[in-house]
Amino acid sequence: DVKVTQSSRYLVKRTGEKVFLECVQDMDHENMFWYRQDPGLGLRLIYFSYDVKMKEKGDIPEGYSVSREKKERFSLILESTSTNQTSMYLCASRAPGEGYGYTFGSGTRLTVV
Amino acid sequence: AQSVTQLGSHVSVSEGALVLLRCNYSSSVPPYLFWYVQYPNQGLQLLLKYTTGATLVKGINGFEAEFKKSETSFHLTKPSAHMSDAAEYFCAVSEKGDDKIIFGKGTRLHILP
Repeated sequence: DVKVTQSSRYLVKRTGEKVFLECVQDMDHENMFWYRQDPGLGLRLIYFSYDVKMKEKGDIPEGYSVSREKKERFSLILESTSTNQTSMYLCASRAPGEGYGYTFGSGTRLTVV
Repeated sequence: AQSVTQLGSHVSVSEGALVLLRCNYSSSVPPYLFWYVQYPNQGLQLLLKYTTGATLVKGINGFEAEFKKSETSFHLTKPSAHMSDAAEYFCAVSEKGDDKIIFGKGTRLHILP
């Protein structure tokens, strides 16, 4: 089975701190995604990447950046955290081709105080 | 543009009763359709998917869903609810050729003893 690993389950950060959220997948998938999940809003796409060093903005990229230096690793960067970035962050990967779903990591619950 | 509507943000059923979670989608072309389940403080797990072929799709944990093109629906059912089914369920759609999956806002299923 494909495994997607997120480096932290829970994080607490102070406003203004820089945060790196790491995501690693072990099945050589080209496509990787970062979502945030908030009650009543569902999953919203922040950024995605379809290849090394390639990235595309999702629906809510403001306040975030990403890095993909290696195929298996996709990092989400919060340069200067704010309280409205308190959320559950989910990483996913997807095999190329028709009809494949996402495989998700376990999520990182970030609290900014 | 694709979109997904899940009717009811919360659904309660008694243990042993039928589970029905509703999902309607909009898509300009025949889509791929997915149902995911999320248990507390975990990532999303694929329950089932429709790509092509038989419109009644069976998934894990006794769930199934039927693709009805004329109704643009993909409702999730289970004949007899179990306490362990309590979770949040997400319907999702992806168009052919698109790497991204669009999620509904989710339905939280409560099982009453």
